[in-house]
Amino acid sequence: DAMVIQNPRYQVTQFGKPVTLSCSQTLNHNVMYWYQQKSSQAPKLLFHYYDKDFNNEADTPDNFQSRRPNTSFCFLDIRSPGLGDAAMYLCATSPGDRVSYEQYFGPGTRLTVT
Amino acid sequence: GNSVTQMEGPVTLSEEAFLTINCTYTATGYPSLFWYVQYPGEGLQLLLKATKADDKGSNKGFEATYRKETTSFHLEKGSVQVSDSAVYFCALAYQGGSEKLVFGKGTKLTVNP
Repeated sequence: DAMVIQNPRYQVTQFGKPVTLSCSQTLNHNVMYWYQQKSSQAPKLLFHYYDKDFNNEADTPDNFQSRRPNTSFCFLDIRSPGLGDAAMYLCATSPGDRVSYEQYFGPGTRLTVT
Repeated sequence: GNSVTQMEGPVTLSEEAFLTINCTYTATGYPSLFWYVQYPGEGLQLLLKATKADDKGSNKGFEATYRKETTSFHLEKGSVQVSDSAVYFCALAYQGGSEKLVFGKGTKLTVNP
């Protein structure tokens, strides 16, 4: 089945130690997104790629970076995690065809910062 | 700008009760509307969608009708089950606009046996 895959499902990192979360998709979608979701809140968009075109949200901290080396993969890098960065990180994709706007989400990576 | 206002939770129901979760939106033009469901510890799953006025989206016994005149997209289910316990998010996408979703704050539903 076509899907969005996130690895790992659970990640523990130390305060200030860089961490990378990964996302892959078999849907061949043009657009890939990274969201941060804290408990009992809606997902907050960090950034998205339309193909190779990177779009950062205005309030996304510089501590968060992203890479998309090819259509299938997208990475979220947190350069110096703080305790406030502990959250669920969700990857999503959408076709990017200006017709279908639904997004398809991965299962998420739960990040713990110690 | 575009926004979604969703019924505050949490909502607690008994099994087989009728469910309504209200959602209203503010948008220019004609957005696409969605309901997503999130089970504990998981990502969001698309539950249903509607892309134009008077469309009815339906899935797994859930329904929502795109009402342009009231700018609403209320989620309903005639008989909820314990397995429906989850958080429900209403969202919109502006057709022809950016590839981003605007989410409501989410409504947590708990169904007791």
